[in-house]
Order: sequence, then C-alpha cells, then structure tokens
Amino acid sequence: AQKVTQAQTEISVVEKEDVTLDCVYETRDTTYYLFWYKQPPSGELVFLIRRNSFDEQNEISGRYSWNFQKSTSSFNFTITASQVVDSAVYFCALSEVRNTPLVFGKGTRLSVIA
Amino acid sequence: NAGVTQTPKFRILKIGQSMTLQCTQDMNHNYMYWYRQDPGMGLKLIYYSVGAGITDKGEVPNGYNVSRSTTEDFPLRLELAAPSQTSVYFCASSYSTGTSGTYEQYFGPGTRLTVT
Repeated sequence: AQKVTQAQTEISVVEKEDVTLDCVYETRDTTYYLFWYKQPPSGELVFLIRRNSFDEQNEISGRYSWNFQKSTSSFNFTITASQVVDSAVYFCALSEVRNTPLVFGKGTRLSVIA
Repeated sequence: NAGVTQTPKFRILKIGQSMTLQCTQDMNHNYMYWYRQDPGMGLKLIYYSVGAGITDKGEVPNGYNVSRSTTEDFPLRLELAAPSQTSVYFCASSYSTGTSGTYEQYFGPGTRLTVT
C-alpha cells in the first residue's frame, strides 16, 4: 500500500534561514510519481513540483530545491533564504501509475518569522 | 481560464440535512477527485472519476455519493449530514492516460462545511 510520511509537524525559522522539509514514502510499484503542494493561509492548494520515479536528478527552481533519493525513499524539499511569504503548510504526495489518486502526507506547517 | 471552481465556499448544515457540493473544471481533464481535509490530517480521498459515467470509491466514501454525467462536472452529495462530516472539501482534476502516468492535480478553492 502507498504511504507518505512527513514527520515534521511544525517548523519555525527566522527569515533568511534555509529549511528542509522531509518526505518519506512507501510503495510497491517501480513506477510512481511524487508531488509537493503548498497551502498558504488563504487555503488554496498550489502545485509546486512533480517527479517520476525514473528521474533522480535534483531540481532547483529559484529558492526551492528538491532532493529525490530512491535508496532512502525520500523526496525532501529545501527552501533557501526563507521569506515570510513561504509560511504555509506543505504537503508531499504520491501516486502510483496504475492508481492515479494522490496519497498525501499529513503536511508540515512552516512558519517564517521576520 | 477559471480552472476548477467549487460552490458554495461556505455552508452550515444541520444534522440530517442534505446538500450537494458543486465542482466544475474547464480544462478538459478526464480525472476528477473529491478530497476532505480535516485539521492536521492532510487530505483524504472520498471519491474519484476517470471519465464521464465512471466513478470509484476512495479512502473515506461513507456518507457521500457522486455522479459524473459530463467531463466538466463532478458533484458531491451528502445525504444525511453528520457532525463527523464537518471539514473542508476540495475538488481537483487532472489529466492521465492511465499508462503514461499521473500529471499534477489542479485544486479548486475548497468548500468549508460545518454540520451542527
């Protein structure tokens, strides 16, 4: 069965600090997809990244970077030089190719303090 | 493009009442989903649909019903509202061929439902 674990319930950092959000997943499939979503205080869910299981290259988008390691079943998300606008709940999610609905972790609430 | 729209945004129901949460997408996505989000619990899948006329249960389907008569619409029906159904409901849509993999899901703004 699929499972996503985000062990960090809440993280608080001071602005300009770097922060890493952990995501560990479980799946029996060799083909699967991993996602990160952001939920700001306004409540909407914003898509950040999609990664398939065959692409282990790290990805960087501005201040955001993602580290995918199949050996440890992890897909961690790092925000560099955090800003107050980064304050949100961040969800990691998993989808297997034959079962497209996403399975979400419980989320990590990030608070960036000015 | 409007993307995924949901109505209403807020609703208060009394125990035993019924209501339909509306969801419409204009991206011609074949897959649509309903999730509920309880505080601190992430999102749980209620029902999903892989195309018009086809629906399937998710993790928490009890107390809900869905239908998918068109590609665009995927309403969620609560027949006998219970306090346990107090939650935020999100509708989402995505494109998938089933064999090519799962593309990102686009979410509506959510409906905050309170049952008292």
